[in-house]
Amino acid sequence: NAGVTQTPKFQVLKTGQSMTLQCAQDMNHEYMSWYRQDPGMGLRLIHYSVGAGITDQGEVPNGYNVSRSTTEDFPLRLLSAAPSQTSVYFCASSAPGQNTGELFFGEGSRLTVL
Amino acid sequence: AQKITQTQPGMFVQEKEAVTLDCTYDTSDPSYGLFWYKQPSSGEMIFLIYQGSYDQQNATEGRYSLNFQKARKSANLVISASQLGDSAMYFCAMRPVYTGRRALTFGSGTRLQVQP
Repeated sequence: NAGVTQTPKFQVLKTGQSMTLQCAQDMNHEYMSWYRQDPGMGLRLIHYSVGAGITDQGEVPNGYNVSRSTTEDFPLRLLSAAPSQTSVYFCASSAPGQNTGELFFGEGSRLTVL
Repeated sequence: AQKITQTQPGMFVQEKEAVTLDCTYDTSDPSYGLFWYKQPSSGEMIFLIYQGSYDQQNATEGRYSLNFQKARKSANLVISASQLGDSAMYFCAMRPVYTGRRALTFGSGTRLQVQP
């Protein structure tokens, strides 16, 4: 059971470049989300989706775009990377029927913007 | 808005001893859930334990227990009989219940080091 899969695991970009972080889950979870983790700040929500075709902004959405065309996939796009976007990015999902509603996380993607 | 505060940036504990990691929270939601996650040096986020705000008893999962004091707005994680493999970052998190938004609000974390 693959769970939540993120690619790539590591990426180095130059300022102004664009890229997409991929996230896929095979658990048929309706809810998916993206977080970034910076030293000393815990995880902060970037964008989330409660189902295919529905997305919304989180705490730190600026500089990022998302779309949700299928239940399985939730890519995160950086249109013009900035050094401030150097971080570790986590994708997470959960199922609506869960009693606790805990998030299942991918392994993370470490992004460095030079 | 919700806020999680973890005031202990780092903690040390001797192997086989118990340790308490502090977490306080603030929310205006009448019903909410509290979570603890472990992040080892390899980086993945591992769910440990959950406490619902209306649960009558404190949650327990093996060596992990959650000391939930609703009036004090605290949800401390207790790890009994610490093991070397418990060395990791620990994050407290919360979310409102009965809403479509399942986003978690995280604290800044506590780094636990277990010493032999």
